[in-house]
Amino acid sequence: GEDVEQSLFLSVREGDSSVINCTYTDSSSTYLYWYKQEPGAGLQLLTYIFSNMDMKQDQRLTVLLNKKDKHLSLRIADTQTGDSAIYFCAESYSSASKIIFGSGTRLSIRP
Amino acid sequence: GAVVSQHPSRVICKSGTSVKIECRSLDFQATTMFWYRQFPKQSLMLMATSNEGSKATYEQGVEKDKFLINHASLTLSTLTVTSAHPEDSSFYICSARAPRSGELFFGEGSRLTVL
Repeated sequence: GEDVEQSLFLSVREGDSSVINCTYTDSSSTYLYWYKQEPGAGLQLLTYIFSNMDMKQDQRLTVLLNKKDKHLSLRIADTQTGDSAIYFCAESYSSASKIIFGSGTRLSIRP
Repeated sequence: GAVVSQHPSRVICKSGTSVKIECRSLDFQATTMFWYRQFPKQSLMLMATSNEGSKATYEQGVEKDKFLINHASLTLSTLTVTSAHPEDSSFYICSARAPRSGELFFGEGSRLTVL
């Protein structure tokens, strides 16, 4: 079945790196996504990675994929207060199929 | 960039009444839209896939008669919560798929409170 799991909370110091982890169960997942949700708002796509890749970097964001272990991570370098949000890991079989979300990780930044 | 708009953003209603939430794609035509429900502990649950011109595809455990979905045009999908009860109180989020890129754009969400 389809299942995506994340830890619920992460607290980091401003300026440090944040690493948010995710595991998924569906080995046929082709697209793996990271979404950001700010308080009271909808979701914003941060980045995505294809299952045939193991890393993708976009400015302060680095996505690592271990397909064998079905483990995905999002690293945010130099974490800022504006990064406070809930981060959702998600997967889908294709770009046209439904997206299954994890429970989200609430990232809080401490001074 | 592409924008998906939801209305209303907040609604409070009495138990037993019906509430309609609209989801519009403003910059593109969306043949497929999705409706999600977000529970208090953050998890986002896919309720149904809304297909323009045809019946919605509901996920297992979602009551079709309770959550009516209509996708009458390429830019508008509506979710109607019928005979709402307090346990239907939640944050409902829609998304629309851009036809060329396949990217999913999300609305801002609608918070429903049933008294």
